Amino acid sequence: QSVLTQPPSVSGAPGQRVTISCTGSSSNIGAGYDVHWYQQLPGTAPKLIINGDTNRPSGVPDRFSGSKSGTSASLAITGLQAEDEADYYCQSSDSSLSGWVFGGGTKLTVL
Amino acid sequence: EVQLVESGGDLVQSGGSLRLSCVTSGFTFSSYEMNWVRQAPGKGLEWVSYISYTGSTIYYADSVKGRFTISRDNAKNSLYLQMNSLRGDDTGVYYCVYRRVWGQGTLVTVSS
Repeated sequence: QSVLTQPPSVSGAPGQRVTISCTGSSSNIGAGYDVHWYQQLPGTAPKLIINGDTNRPSGVPDRFSGSKSGTSASLAITGLQAEDEADYYCQSSDSSLSGWVFGGGTKLTVL
Repeated sequence: EVQLVESGGDLVQSGGSLRLSCVTSGFTFSSYEMNWVRQAPGKGLEWVSYISYTGSTIYYADSVKGRFTISRDNAKNSLYLQMNSLRGDDTGVYYCVYRRVWGQGTLVTVSS
């Protein structure tokens, strides 16, 4: 059972917009710790796509955006493309665990 | 360019030991904290351990505390994970992580 809660799966048609939620608590997201988002393609290492709640690393398309409010964060992907089909993970820190915490991951299917 | 190259993963029997290594380049290794994260087959990501840039502060996940030891050699730009008393649920890909940049991982398989 993951400390951060994500939906197991989301789907959308090409060109559509999808969002993935990440729900935490007062000891992690709600305590003000940054939330980061990763994309993991099959057989590869996770790749950072959102850093520090809302920032896109160089090279990440602006179709990807992040937001945070209270004890939750969200990843939005607009203009869905087939290449976006992957697993997505949120990550933060937790004051009671002295380490990183992850969401359970969300599988995005592009219909 | 930042590079993190893990090695040392193998097939090992339950109760056995392994030492993972992560050789880094492209950044000033001695100035940064490092983490190990693992992923069981078909499962999500699990943080394993943290080490500060000097090695003076170390944290472990409860699932590995007392069995795993993280260390670093700043002269060799290398991070290590000594894994003892291995169990089946330790099976997975182990990633070395610098800030939020991940190596390609090394596979550890524990057989019973």
